[in-house]
Amino acid sequence: SAVISQKPSRDICQRGTSLTIQCQVDSQVTMMFWYRQQPGQSLTLIATANQGSEATYESGFVIDKFPISRPNLTFSTLTVSNMSPEDSSIYLCSVDRGMEETQYFGPGTRLLVL
Amino acid sequence: GNSVTQMEGPVTLSEEAFLTINCTYTATGYPSLFWYVQYPGEGLQLLLKATKADDKGSNKGFEATYRKETTSFHLEKGSVQVSDSAVYFCALSSHTGRRALTFGSGTRLQVQP
Repeated sequence: SAVISQKPSRDICQRGTSLTIQCQVDSQVTMMFWYRQQPGQSLTLIATANQGSEATYESGFVIDKFPISRPNLTFSTLTVSNMSPEDSSIYLCSVDRGMEETQYFGPGTRLLVL
Repeated sequence: GNSVTQMEGPVTLSEEAFLTINCTYTATGYPSLFWYVQYPGEGLQLLLKATKADDKGSNKGFEATYRKETTSFHLEKGSVQVSDSAVYFCALSSHTGRRALTFGSGTRLQVQP
C-alpha cells in the first residue's frame, strides 16, 4: 500500500476565493489522480496529474477552475478556483504505483463554501 | 465507455445476517474490479479486488468473485457486524492506459445490533 496525506483536512471558505489542496505520498508513484465526492454522491474523476506536463482533465472539468500541479513523483496540488457553494465536496487524491494495479486514496479534504 | 451499476441502498440488516450487494459493470475488454469501503467520516479504503475472470477477492470476511459471463462482482459476507456499517463502492479500471477508476453510486449498509 501507500501512505498518503492531504492538507488541509477540512476548510470553510467564502465564495469567490480559491483553495489549494496538497497531496503527499510516502514513495514515488507513477500515477496520481484527483476525485470529487459531492455530498451523498459517488466519486467522480476530475483529472490525472501528470509529472512534468499538464494534467489530463475529464469531461466537465477545466484547468481554469481546477488547476493542478505535479512537480515530482510524490507530490501534487489541486486548486479550486473562484469557489461557489456548488464546489462544496470532499476532494480526494489517489495514487497508482503501477505494479499492483490498485489505487490507494488519501483521507480527503472536506470543503464547505459559504 | 465504462460504467458500474450497484444496487440501491440503504441496506439495513441485523447483526449476523447474510449480506449481498449486487454490482454489474460495462467495460471494454477485461477490467480489474474493486470494492472500496467508506466508514462514517473517513476516506476510502480498498476492501478487496480481482484482476481477471473467476478470481475471488476476499478480506475481513467479505468476498466477491469476478464473473465475466454475467459481468458481475457481487459483494458477500456471511455474518455482518455493527462495525461493518459503511458505504460500499464497486469500481473498475482498465489494465492499460490511465487506469482511472469508474465508481458505482455506492450502497449504504446499516447493521443493527
